[in-house]
Amino acid sequence: AQSVTQLGSHVSVSEGALVLLRCNYSSSVPPYLFWYVQYPNQGLQLLLKYTSAATLVKGINGFEAEFKKSETSFHLTKPSAHMSDAAEYFCAVSLRDDKIIFGKGTRLHILP
Amino acid sequence: NAGVTQTPKFRVLKTGQSMTLLCAQDMNHEYMYWYRQDPGMGLRLIHYSVGEGTTAKGEVPDGYNVSRLKKQNFLLGLESAAPSQTSVYFCASSYPGLGDYEQFFGPGTRLTVL
Repeated sequence: AQSVTQLGSHVSVSEGALVLLRCNYSSSVPPYLFWYVQYPNQGLQLLLKYTSAATLVKGINGFEAEFKKSETSFHLTKPSAHMSDAAEYFCAVSLRDDKIIFGKGTRLHILP
Repeated sequence: NAGVTQTPKFRVLKTGQSMTLLCAQDMNHEYMYWYRQDPGMGLRLIHYSVGEGTTAKGEVPDGYNVSRLKKQNFLLGLESAAPSQTSVYFCASSYPGLGDYEQFFGPGTRLTVL
C-alpha cells in the first residue's frame, strides 16, 4: 500500500537559513509526488509536483524538491527562508489512480 | 474562474442536528473529493466521486453521505452530527486528463459540533 511519511511535525529555521522538509514515500509503482502549502485559515495550494520528468522540480516561491528513487524520498528545500514561508506543508503521493495520499504535515516556523 | 468554492465557511451544530456542505467547481473537473483535516492527522479522505452520479467511500466515511447529481457540485451530508465530526472540511477536484492527478482545493468549512 502506498504511504507518505513526513519527518518532523514542526520545523523551526531562522530567517535567511536553509529550509529542508523531509518526505519519504512507499509505492509499488512509479509515483506522482506533490508538495502542497497551507497558510493559516486557507485551503491547500500546490507548491510543486513530480510527474516522472526531471527529478529536480522547481516550484513557486523559490522552493524545489528532488525525487530520489533509490531513497524513496522527495524532500522540499529552499535556500533562504522568509517570514512569509511560515505555513504547514504537506507531501502527497498518487499512484496514478483516482486518489492522493497525504502525509500528516509539517508546520514550518520562521525565527526572526 | 472561481475555482473550487465551499459553502458555508463556518457552522456550529448541536449534537444530533443535520447539515449539508456544498462544494462547487467551475473547472469542468471529473473527480471531486471531500476531506477532513484534524490537528496532527493530515487530510483524510471521506468520500469521493469520479463522475456525475458516482460516489465512493474513502478512508473515514462513517457518519457522512455524499451526492453528485451535477458534475460541478459535490454535496457532503451529516445526518446526525456528533462532536467527533468537529473538524475543518475541504473539498477538492481534479481532472485526470491533465495526466498527473493534481488536486485543486477549496478554502474549507470549519464545523463545530457541540
